[in-house]
Amino acid sequence: DGGITQSPKYLFRKEGQNVTLSCEQNLNHDAMYWYRQDPGQGLRLIYYSQIVNDFQKGDIAEGYSVSREKKESFPLTVTSAQKNPTAFYLCASSWGTASNEKLFFGSGTQLSVL
Amino acid sequence: AQTVTQSQPEMSVQEAETVTLSCTYDTSESDYYLFWYKQPPSRQMILVIRQEAYKQQNATENRFSVNFQKAAKSFSLKISDSQLGDAAMYFCASGLMNYGGSQGNLIFGKGTKLSVKP
Repeated sequence: DGGITQSPKYLFRKEGQNVTLSCEQNLNHDAMYWYRQDPGQGLRLIYYSQIVNDFQKGDIAEGYSVSREKKESFPLTVTSAQKNPTAFYLCASSWGTASNEKLFFGSGTQLSVL
Repeated sequence: AQTVTQSQPEMSVQEAETVTLSCTYDTSESDYYLFWYKQPPSRQMILVIRQEAYKQQNATENRFSVNFQKAAKSFSLKISDSQLGDAAMYFCASGLMNYGGSQGNLIFGKGTKLSVKP
């Protein structure tokens, strides 16, 4: 089945540690996105990528980094510079880069700080 | 700057009844898109319906329809014949048409939690 796979489902980070969230899609989508969701809040964009080896910062990129070495993969690293990383992280993709494209979402990763 | 406001944190509906979720937005642009996404307990977001601002006709997808009032900047979602599976968080979102590609500018509201009573 085609879709977006995020792993792990739950992740714990120690203070000062970098952690990486995985996002893989087999939909052959060009664009991929990372969103952060806090309780009682809507989604906020962290980073997005329209094509391999290219990505742009979203509204809350500080403390995060990404890479897009393959079309299928868009991992997100939460660095130690992100002082409040506890949140639910959603990865998404879309066929193309038009503004009305439907977003396909993964099932998310819940990140907590130990 | 774009903003999206959902003024109803929680709503409840009886099974088989109709419910309307409210959404207002603010943008200075004339070309944009509007969306409703559903987040069930599994937490995976699913697109419910979308509307292009230049279209006057309200979008419809089976039991889901919107009431798009461009002048009032209102975009409400109507769910008819509510089913237990409709219970979820519903997010309204807006995105600019001429951003230069992608939905990198999509702005989400804070969501409305819908409960469906059997």
